[in-house]
Amino acid sequence: GESVGLHLPTLSVQEGDNSIINCAYSNSASDYFIWYKQESGKGPQFIIDIRSNMDKRQGQRVTVLLNKTVKHLSLQIAATQPGDSAVYFCAEGLRMGTYKYIFGTGTRLKVLA
Amino acid sequence: ETGVTQTPRHLVMGMTNKKSLKCEQHLGHNAMYWYKQSAKKPLELMFVYSLEERVENNSVPSRFSPECPNSSHLFLHLHTLQPEDSALYLCASSQGRDRGNSPLHFGNGTRLTVT
Repeated sequence: GESVGLHLPTLSVQEGDNSIINCAYSNSASDYFIWYKQESGKGPQFIIDIRSNMDKRQGQRVTVLLNKTVKHLSLQIAATQPGDSAVYFCAEGLRMGTYKYIFGTGTRLKVLA
Repeated sequence: ETGVTQTPRHLVMGMTNKKSLKCEQHLGHNAMYWYKQSAKKPLELMFVYSLEERVENNSVPSRFSPECPNSSHLFLHLHTLQPEDSALYLCASSQGRDRGNSPLHFGNGTRLTVT
């Protein structure tokens, strides 16, 4: 079906540790993927994106990995900080007539001091 | 400052009221979107405008009426809403509706409560 899901609804991580948030997507035709961070009372904030012709992309403290074989996307956050506490969700983009974005439900990341 | 500004931030309205949500983007994008975000559900696409033309209406009830007077402004007119319409309404913009490979940039949303 057309769905993007997250394996873990809540992830608790010790401050300073690395975080890994996972996402499964179901559309093999998806060619673009985005990770968003949403803090309480705010809209989704763009973190990092990756095109389907890549399998890894790095940003500042974040890395996105794409495994097209198993249709899996992950977001790695290095040295997790209290300010990283938020809901993270992925989105896949694909052309279905017009270009569409399909969003996952989100994983809540809690950073423990 | 997100580049996409939404007003009001909070809105409480009765089922017989008429109100409007406003969105303005300062990013030079040419596509604008309305999304509905309900608890524990993925973002639901409502409307898409590309170059001020509505290109998608995702089976949204007629009590929601969008308006896009220019590429920087987007409105969502609300009338005779139902309590189940209570949600966070998010506006977004992107560089090109059909280009792909372009992230959506969201505003901070309007938290709507229908009483």
